Amino acid sequence: DGGITQSPKYLFRKEGQNVTLSCEQNLNHDAMYWYRQDPGQGLRLIYYSQIVNDFQKGDIAEGYSVSREKKESFPLTVTSAQKNPTAFYLCASSKLLNTEAFFGQGTRLTVV
Amino acid sequence: EDQVTQSPEALRLQEGESSSLNCSYTVSGLRGLFWYRQDPGKGPEFLFTLYSAGEEKEKERLKATLTKKESFLHITAPKPEDSATYLCAVQARYGGSQGNLIFGKGTKLSVKP
Repeated sequence: DGGITQSPKYLFRKEGQNVTLSCEQNLNHDAMYWYRQDPGQGLRLIYYSQIVNDFQKGDIAEGYSVSREKKESFPLTVTSAQKNPTAFYLCASSKLLNTEAFFGQGTRLTVV
Repeated sequence: EDQVTQSPEALRLQEGESSSLNCSYTVSGLRGLFWYRQDPGKGPEFLFTLYSAGEEKEKERLKATLTKKESFLHITAPKPEDSATYLCAVQARYGGSQGNLIFGKGTKLSVKP
């Protein structure tokens, strides 16, 4: 079955450590996105990528980094520079930029 | 500034009690409006895309409509399995957030048997 796989589902890290969240899709979609979801807030865009080897900052990119070396993969690194990293992170993909997006099941990151 | 507001924040219904969720928006030219369903601890599930005022789409007990200022998600004779948070997102044609989806905070729907 085609879909988007995020791993791990839960992630715990100590403050000051970098952590990488995985996102893989087998939908043959060109565009991929990372969103952050906090209680009581709408989804906020961190980074997006239209094609391989190209990505753009979203609204809250500070403290995050991404890469897009393969069409299928769009990993997100949460760096120690991110001041409040504890959140639910969602990866999504779409055939073209900002057409119907399909989401993974999310990674809940807790920094202690 | 482009903005999406969903109301109510929470809605409790009895099974079979029809109602509507509202999504009002302010954007620099609407390119598209999207509805998603999100279950607790999971990623959003795509429901509908609407592009122009007057457009309607249906899926089982759900019907989405669009005007120039807002969209409604009508739920007819809901069942407990319709309980979820419903998210609305808009895509602006112009401006600083051009092309990017702007999400509302969602409406949490609870349907009691």
